[in-house]
Amino acid sequence: AQTVTQSQPEMSVQEAETVTLSCTYDTSESDYYLFWYKQPPSRQMILVIRQEAYKQQNATENRFSVNFQKAAKSFSLKISDSQLGDAAMYFCAYRSGGAQKLVFGQGTRLTINP
Amino acid sequence: EAGVTQFPSHSVIEKGQTVTLRCDPISGHDNLYWYRRVMGKEIKFLLHFVKESKQDESGMPNNRFLAERTGGTYSTLKVQPAELEDSGVYFCASSQTGGRTYEQYFGPGTRLTVT
Repeated sequence: AQTVTQSQPEMSVQEAETVTLSCTYDTSESDYYLFWYKQPPSRQMILVIRQEAYKQQNATENRFSVNFQKAAKSFSLKISDSQLGDAAMYFCAYRSGGAQKLVFGQGTRLTINP
Repeated sequence: EAGVTQFPSHSVIEKGQTVTLRCDPISGHDNLYWYRRVMGKEIKFLLHFVKESKQDESGMPNNRFLAERTGGTYSTLKVQPAELEDSGVYFCASSQTGGRTYEQYFGPGTRLTVT
């Protein structure tokens, strides 16, 4: 079975600085997708960024980018120019290419210090 | 466009009682999922509907949990009888059908507390 591990329960960063959240996963599959979801306090979880395993190029979405290391089974999220609105729980998730369900990590709570 | 909605937002019940959670997916989304996060652990998959049919219920913990999606619209998740370990946040998500990269849109969750 696939597993996702987020080893940082909490992280904090100064506003305007850069922070990297770690995620590793375990799978024997070659066809899969990886995701980072963000859940702000008392709000719905939203998709931040998605990476297809077959793509070598790292995904980017504005200030959010990933470092996808397929051989190492690592999928870290980098947030540049951190803003107060980035404060949230961040969940790393995995989905098999042929399946629907998401497998989540334990989450990292990110605090932005003004 | 309205997002995924869940009701209630919070429920407190005693052990042994019954609780029914409701999820309204985004209109037109055939896929509906239930997940839950227990005691600050990882979010775990419970089951997946395609329209009114259960596509995958491999994550349902036991037969005290019953999910339905009559008519392929909203879904309910009933816990009967509730146990202390059922406490947690229950999330619903929905997605479109077709394509491999469809996004799952999540609701705000229902926080269930069993005392």
